[in-house]
Amino acid sequence: QKEVEQNSGPLSVPEGAIASLNCTYSDRGSQSFFWYRQYSGKSPELIMSIYSNGDKEDGRFTAQLNKASQYVSLLIRDSQPSDSATYLCASGSDGLTFGKGTHLIIQP
Amino acid sequence: DTEVTQTPKHLVMGMTNKKSLKCEQHMGHRAMYWYKQKAKKPPELMFVYSYEKLSINESVPSRFSPECPNSSLLNLHLHALQPEDSALYLCASSRAPLAGQETQYFGPGTRLLVL
Repeated sequence: QKEVEQNSGPLSVPEGAIASLNCTYSDRGSQSFFWYRQYSGKSPELIMSIYSNGDKEDGRFTAQLNKASQYVSLLIRDSQPSDSATYLCASGSDGLTFGKGTHLIIQP
Repeated sequence: DTEVTQTPKHLVMGMTNKKSLKCEQHMGHRAMYWYKQKAKKPPELMFVYSYEKLSINESVPSRFSPECPNSSLLNLHLHALQPEDSALYLCASSRAPLAGQETQYFGPGTRLLVL
């Protein structure tokens, strides 16, 4: 069974600092990984997708994938209070399997 | 444009009612999905339509009946639901359910309350 694991938090980070979110997955055959942000009462919003080992940067966000360790991470630089949300790690190509999500709180 | 629309935004129904949820996308995507999300839980996959054909049914009870009338539309027909079916129902679409084309974009969801 495919599983995606995340620490549910809450993870509290001071404004302006780097927030580091981590995720592990069980299916070695997984090729596609996604980070979604979800505000309370809203639907998931795509932040990043990553398919290859290494880093992928988009603005203040950097996704990292290590297939040997079955590990995906998301770094948020210069964290802002508006980044406070639940971050969902997901994997899959014909339907996503989500982790439980990490609740991130950015403290002003 | 990565917009997926869903109607209605909110729905309250009794256990004997029949209702339908609607999802629409005009991005030319050929894969569409239904997810169910309970409070403080991650979304759970219900159904996958690929090129208008049902390709995945995650053992969903028959009181939920999906339909894909065309490549832009996805419906979820509801009948004889239980209070525990109350949840946020999310629709998503992607270019195709294939590696490299499977980035999913979610609609705003329909919040369903079953009384």
